Amino acid sequence: SYELTQPPSVSVSPGQTARITCSGDALPKQYAYWYQQKPGQAPVLVIYKDSERPSGIPERFSGSSSGTTVTLTISGVQAEDEADYYCQSADSSTTVYVFGTGTKVTVL
Amino acid sequence: EVQLVQSRAEVKKPGESLKISCKGSGYNFTNYLIGWVRQMPGKGLEWMGIIYPGDSDTTYSPSLQGLVTISVDKSVNTAYLQWNSLKASDTAMYYCARLLAQQLGFDYWGQGTLVSVSS
Repeated sequence: SYELTQPPSVSVSPGQTARITCSGDALPKQYAYWYQQKPGQAPVLVIYKDSERPSGIPERFSGSSSGTTVTLTISGVQAEDEADYYCQSADSSTTVYVFGTGTKVTVL
Repeated sequence: EVQLVQSRAEVKKPGESLKISCKGSGYNFTNYLIGWVRQMPGKGLEWMGIIYPGDSDTTYSPSLQGLVTISVDKSVNTAYLQWNSLKASDTAMYYCARLLAQQLGFDYWGQGTLVSVSS
């Protein structure tokens, strides 16, 4: 089955850079998407097609891809960025969608 | 403005049936796939299935195939998630989400429907 693996947690001080990785064998073939989820809220799309940013998402959020790993980078982290982050992709041959295991970002 | 509005929270007993809904507005509902995502208490996001409102073509997660039914009524711009016999393990928050056009990610999400199953 198709799996996407993320680190369980990342801690960062305000103003520093947080990097969240997501690894999966199929990532070289399909785009990845990233979501931010704050407690008690629905997820919000923050990056699509590996590195594109939806309108309204701050420029400090960026995405990149290299081989079987995609990375979400939050530059100049702010307290409001404390949340769970999930990567997501799909296996186009079976039309099965999959979410990563999730990473909790803590702002120290 | 694109919106997905889900039905209210539900409290049910094991063995009961349930159908929750997700109503789209602000866009051409027929043209965009709608997915359902489960989030069990304290856990991550899990994709359940996806439906194309245009022709009701549906794909389920292999792990949930046969356990739930996804349907749509395009006359009222609404997608549904249904159980015939709930279990305690179905207790979770359920989200619907719209799939980005020509892509594999979800751009708009409903507010979620909390389903609690307990005897």
